[in-house]
Amino acid sequence: KAGVTQTPRYLIKTRGQQVTLSCSPISGHRSVSWYQQTPGQGLQFLFEYFSETQRNKGNFPGRFSGRQFSNSRSEMNVSTLELGDSALYLCASSLGRSGRASYEQYFGPGTRLTVT
Amino acid sequence: GENVEQHPSTLSVQEGDSAVIKCTYSDSASNYFPWYKQELGKGPQLIIDIRSNVGEKKDQRIAVTLNKTAKHFSLHITETQPEDSAVYFCAASINENNRLAFGKGNQVVVIP
Repeated sequence: KAGVTQTPRYLIKTRGQQVTLSCSPISGHRSVSWYQQTPGQGLQFLFEYFSETQRNKGNFPGRFSGRQFSNSRSEMNVSTLELGDSALYLCASSLGRSGRASYEQYFGPGTRLTVT
Repeated sequence: GENVEQHPSTLSVQEGDSAVIKCTYSDSASNYFPWYKQELGKGPQLIIDIRSNVGEKKDQRIAVTLNKTAKHFSLHITETQPEDSAVYFCAASINENNRLAFGKGNQVVVIP
């Protein structure tokens, strides 16, 4: 079974621009969560989507948004980029429904975003 | 929200010895505790997890223990090998919430 895939793997943007990252979950998984990883703050939860609806949201400004499509693929968008948005953006997929295995989140390789 | 603390930050062990990483969590409602291993240039890999109705879980050379009263959980790696060198993260989540709160990570270095 294929793992979680993220595109692109690397991205360089300029302050003020906007960016869209993509995540394809493991087949059969309906939940996609996004995390930001930085050396200073570690791994921080951005938001989770399940069945095309945002189910949970972390403490990030409104410049960070996301969506999920009917095939469970998800995108996240960051508008008006700031230098501090430079990070590794990770998505994780899980079954998302009640049950023993529903908690298990599997991560993709991440998208390395550099803002200059 | 949930706060997870992880110590020590760096752990060096001789090959074949055991490594133990400890984490504490703040919210007594947390009931799911996964551990992830992250190698350079890769995403975190789920290596073992434990739920609050279990005190210990083992998978080959890896084990996790949970003390709900003290609100701490630990990862134990026995017979360490060079390929165990990586950053290990503990995490916690509340109920069936998919929102994981992560510790800051431990760099484990296995010295051949």
